[in-house]
Amino acid sequence: DIQMTQSPSSLSASVGDRVTITCRASDGISGWVAWYQQKVNGAPRSLIYHSTTLQSGVPSRFSGSGFGTDFTLTISSLQPEDFATYYCQQYQSYPFTFGPGTKVEIK
Amino acid sequence: QVQLQQRGAGLLRPSETLSLTCDVSGGPFNNYYWTWIRQAPGKGLEWIGEINYREATHYNPSLNSRVTISVDTSKNQFSLKLNSLTAADTAVYYCARRSMTYDMDVWDNGTTVTVSS
Repeated sequence: DIQMTQSPSSLSASVGDRVTITCRASDGISGWVAWYQQKVNGAPRSLIYHSTTLQSGVPSRFSGSGFGTDFTLTISSLQPEDFATYYCQQYQSYPFTFGPGTKVEIK
Repeated sequence: QVQLQQRGAGLLRPSETLSLTCDVSGGPFNNYYWTWIRQAPGKGLEWIGEINYREATHYNPSLNSRVTISVDTSKNQFSLKLNSLTAADTAVYYCARRSMTYDMDVWDNGTTVTVSS
């Protein structure tokens, strides 16, 4: 199985801050990465697929980059509704696997 | 707009079989993979497996021997069975659509399943 790791596991930030979350795959996965946002007691929501492409309706302050084993999710200006946990997921090979999550908290 | 609605028992005893069904409405059923994912309390997301309308399945090997996913295209629904339950299977179970771009783009609200004697 391809293992996904994320850093940091949590971070505290203020509204307006630029936030970057890193995801690393244990093996090369080209650009086959998605990012999800999950709010407390809510279902995950797809933000980005194919490493860089925003899902429909996702604000442009979210962006993704990376290829191979290293990927990043960036929020250019953190908004109050962005406080949540973020997961990366690979779909290069079965079983699909998720990172452990990064919790973004209010400073 | 596609919506997923899950149903099934939420409280089970060890060794019993979990059975969940997800109804799909408001959009096409064919040409997608339909997925089950779970999240143990305070933990991350675990992909269980998926099925398409032709009954092609992929399972997580960590659960492979205990899990069965099936589909009923006449009812636009898919189902999950997980046998030999233990407390470790306690989780929120989600059904989701794997989009043509491979991410899970539609999710239900999840069902809490508790395994306890």
